[in-house]
Amino acid sequence: AQSVAQPEDQVNVAEGNPLTVKCTYSVSGNPYLFWYVQYPNRGLQFLLKYITGDNLVKGSYGFEAEFNKSQTSFHLKKPSALVSDSALYFCAVRDPPRGYNKLIFGAGTRLAVHP
Amino acid sequence: NAGVTQTPKFQVLKTGQSMTLQCAQDMNHNSMYWYRQDPGMGLRLIYYSASEGTTDKGEVPNGYNVSRLNKREFSLRLESAAPSQTSVYFCASSVAGTQETQYFGPGTRLLVL
Repeated sequence: AQSVAQPEDQVNVAEGNPLTVKCTYSVSGNPYLFWYVQYPNRGLQFLLKYITGDNLVKGSYGFEAEFNKSQTSFHLKKPSALVSDSALYFCAVRDPPRGYNKLIFGAGTRLAVHP
Repeated sequence: NAGVTQTPKFQVLKTGQSMTLQCAQDMNHNSMYWYRQDPGMGLRLIYYSASEGTTDKGEVPNGYNVSRLNKREFSLRLESAAPSQTSVYFCASSVAGTQETQYFGPGTRLLVL
C-alpha cells in the first residue's frame, strides 16, 4: 500500500539558517509527490510537486524539494528560514492505481522558526 | 476569484443531530474532494467526485454522505453526528487527471458533543 512518512513532529530552526523537513514514501510505480503548507486556521496551500524530470523541484516562497529515488525521499528545503515560514507542512503522494488524484498525506511536521 | 469556499466555518452539534457542510469552487474544476484532519493523522479522504454526476468513497466514508449538486458544488452530510466526527473538514478541488494540484478551502471546524 502507498504511504508517506514524516519522521519529525516538529523542526526548530533559527531565522536565517537553512531548513529541511523530511519526507519518505512508499509507492508501487512512479511516485507523484507534493508538499503543502498550512498556516494557523487556514486551509492547505500548495508549495510544489514532483511528477517527473529534474530531481530538484522549485516551488513557492523560496522552497525547493529534492527527489531521491534510491532513498525514497522527498525532503523540503529552504536556504534561509523566515519567521513567517512557521507553519504545519504536509508531504503527500498520489495513490496511483485507481487513476484519479487521490492523495495520501503524511501526519505533518510543525516548523518553528525562531528570531 | 474566491477559489474554494466552505460554510460554515465552525459548528457545534449534539450527538445524533444532522448537518450539511457546503463547498463551492469557482475555478471550473472537474474533481472535488472532502477530507477530514485530525491531530497526528494528516488528512484522510472521506469522499471524492471525479466529475459532475459521480461520487465515490475514500478512506473513511462511514457516517457520511455526499452530493455533487453541479460542477461548482459538493456537499458533505452527517446524518447522525457522533463525537468521533469531531474534526476539521476540508474541501478541495482539482482540474482533473492524476498530476493535477488540489486546491483547498479554509476548512470547517466541527465539534460534536
